[in-house]
Amino acid sequence: EPEVTQTPSHQVTQMGQEVILRCVPISNHLYFYWYRQILGQKVEFLVSFYNNEISEKSEIFDDQFSVERPDGSNFTLKIRSTKLEDSAMYFCASSAGTSGYNEQFFGPGTRLTVL
Amino acid sequence: GNSVTQMEGPVTLSEEAFLTINCTYTATGYPSLFWYVQYPGEGLQLLLKATKADDKGSNKGFEATYRKETTSFHLEKGSVQVSDSAVYFCALRKTGSARQLTFGSGTQLTVLP
Repeated sequence: EPEVTQTPSHQVTQMGQEVILRCVPISNHLYFYWYRQILGQKVEFLVSFYNNEISEKSEIFDDQFSVERPDGSNFTLKIRSTKLEDSAMYFCASSAGTSGYNEQFFGPGTRLTVL
Repeated sequence: GNSVTQMEGPVTLSEEAFLTINCTYTATGYPSLFWYVQYPGEGLQLLLKATKADDKGSNKGFEATYRKETTSFHLEKGSVQVSDSAVYFCALRKTGSARQLTFGSGTQLTVLP
């Protein structure tokens, strides 16, 4: 069964460093998403991406964040200068479309720890 | 704005017990409602969904009914199994152009043999 994969499973970084979280969405999907969950809090939407551009973003997704689909398979989230409060589990998701019948499939997440 | 309030956990039940996890929402218009489940070490998986009022979503013995009058989407299962131990998330997606999911805080369920 096709699945969304994410690497690494756990990333530890120093405050101020850049990190890139990687995702491989399901191959025939067209819409891609990033969500995050700070420990003990809700899963929060960050950004959605379609046709090589951002289609929606939340208030969390400020200038420190960027997304890219550098090739036909990867979808990345870059955090330019990490802060302590960026420590969270980051989930990638993809869907074939955006209608009510198109499920978002989630990856297992990358746990980011900023020291 | 949109929000989802979910019963706080953790919830611990014995095998074959009845499960209810409460979920209420706030949204304008007519959102679609979802329950996602996360097993240890895995991603969020869609468990069931309902796209309009009075719809009942069901899967793997779990059920939830979209109640517009009470703005609720409670998850139920008549007889839980140890394998149901996981974190359960209620979520909504508003209609229109926005496709982002808004999640509740998740409820950890542990089923003991």
